[in-house]
Amino acid sequence: QKEVEQNSGPLSVPEGAIASLNCTYSDRGSQSFFWYRQYSGKSPELIMFIYSNGDKEDGRFTAQLNKASQYVSLLIRDSQPSDSATYLCAVFISAGTASKLTFGTGTRLQVTL
Amino acid sequence: EPEVTQTPSHQVTQMGQEVILRCVPISNHLYFYWYRQILGQKVEFLVSFYNNEISEKSEIFDDQFSVERPDGSNFTLKIRSTKLEDSAMYFCASTQPGHPSSGANVLTFGAGSRLTVL
Repeated sequence: QKEVEQNSGPLSVPEGAIASLNCTYSDRGSQSFFWYRQYSGKSPELIMFIYSNGDKEDGRFTAQLNKASQYVSLLIRDSQPSDSATYLCAVFISAGTASKLTFGTGTRLQVTL
Repeated sequence: EPEVTQTPSHQVTQMGQEVILRCVPISNHLYFYWYRQILGQKVEFLVSFYNNEISEKSEIFDDQFSVERPDGSNFTLKIRSTKLEDSAMYFCASTQPGHPSSGANVLTFGAGSRLTVL
């Protein structure tokens, strides 16, 4: 079973619409959950993180976490062409001094004019 | 804003050669990581490093790989004898310890070092 699963897409939404990106994870010990954006050939860029059940809003972005369902999502409101990128879901686990962030394969988002 | 610096940005090497990729993490961070991303594939964890020793490593991180913090600022990844399949983008990241509410566990990534093995 994959540790972090995402639909690879592409997810195509028109400009101004809401884009909904989903992610599931397998390890119930996961402690923090992240959404990164990655443009082709570039490094992951943090959008937001969440560690408690519920919603967290930051500007046009809302992250949702449901630990019972092992599910994380990202909503992007008023999508813009500049939002077109690959969105990476990642989960952080630590135990003692050992820690790692595990990424999903990413969902490619295309915002069309 | 503090950033993680990686050098070189691009390195081309011959198969079998040794390569050292360098990183300068954010100064007050204590946890350091290396990831790699083969073209078109996911970002994969290689190794984490804390208190001058490896704290966790993946199956990818075999005997050909090593990491070192030779001084108070640099964090290096060495590949002893490169293979064609080592061609990838290598990302360094760092974070600080603590509770997530303080921003801990948020990895900041460098811009990456692209390694091309011929």
